Amino acid sequence: QLQLQESGPGLVKPSETLSLTCTVSGGSITSSTYDWGWIRQPPGKGLEWIGSIQSSGSTDYRASLNSRITVIADTSKNQFSLKLTSVTAADTAVYYCARRGCSRCPFRYWGQGMLVIVSS
Amino acid sequence: DIVMTQSPDSLAVSLGERATVNCKSSQSVLSTSNNKNYLSWYQHKPGQPPKLLFYWASTRESGVPDRFSGSGSETDFTLTISSLQAEDVAVYYCQQNFGPPYSFGQGTKLEIK
Repeated sequence: QLQLQESGPGLVKPSETLSLTCTVSGGSITSSTYDWGWIRQPPGKGLEWIGSIQSSGSTDYRASLNSRITVIADTSKNQFSLKLTSVTAADTAVYYCARRGCSRCPFRYWGQGMLVIVSS
Repeated sequence: DIVMTQSPDSLAVSLGERATVNCKSSQSVLSTSNNKNYLSWYQHKPGQPPKLLFYWASTRESGVPDRFSGSGSETDFTLTISSLQAEDVAVYYCQQNFGPPYSFGQGTKLEIK
């Protein structure tokens, strides 16, 4: 059974870099044509896809974050990571990592989510 | 960018009654190459990750009760719960998988009347 688990600091200061890691168990991040994504939910708001990395290594990012976001994979650890630079309070959210079968597929597997608060 | 708009924002339905959530995309999410609508529905309960209910607009995910149904094509889609159960209280989201950014609707909060 595929499992995903987010980890990282739950509190980040404004202007600093938010770094989260998603550890995958029960499957390899290099397998097939999978797409590994990050979705966030600000408090009281809806879901927002922010970026994905495919098993090939190619990436897609939300354009409004394009200059601040990086998603990378560490195949040796079976993990993928999110880095979001120059954060503000607007980046406070529950961050989910998730997997889908392809870039046009639905997100079938999700981590439990992790709240990250941006505050001094 | 494709904008997804759901209606209503919230909905209160009596147990055993029908609940209907609508989702409209700002442009078609139908692929003419394979005739698939790249539209998914998720159920989201507090403290849990979203749960996939439907993909390709009307294909039910394994394990989803058949009181749930999905329909629609191109730009207009509907999620229907034929007989509301207490465990169906949640926020429901549509999402387009047609192209990035893979946008979600704003969500519809479903409650018991």
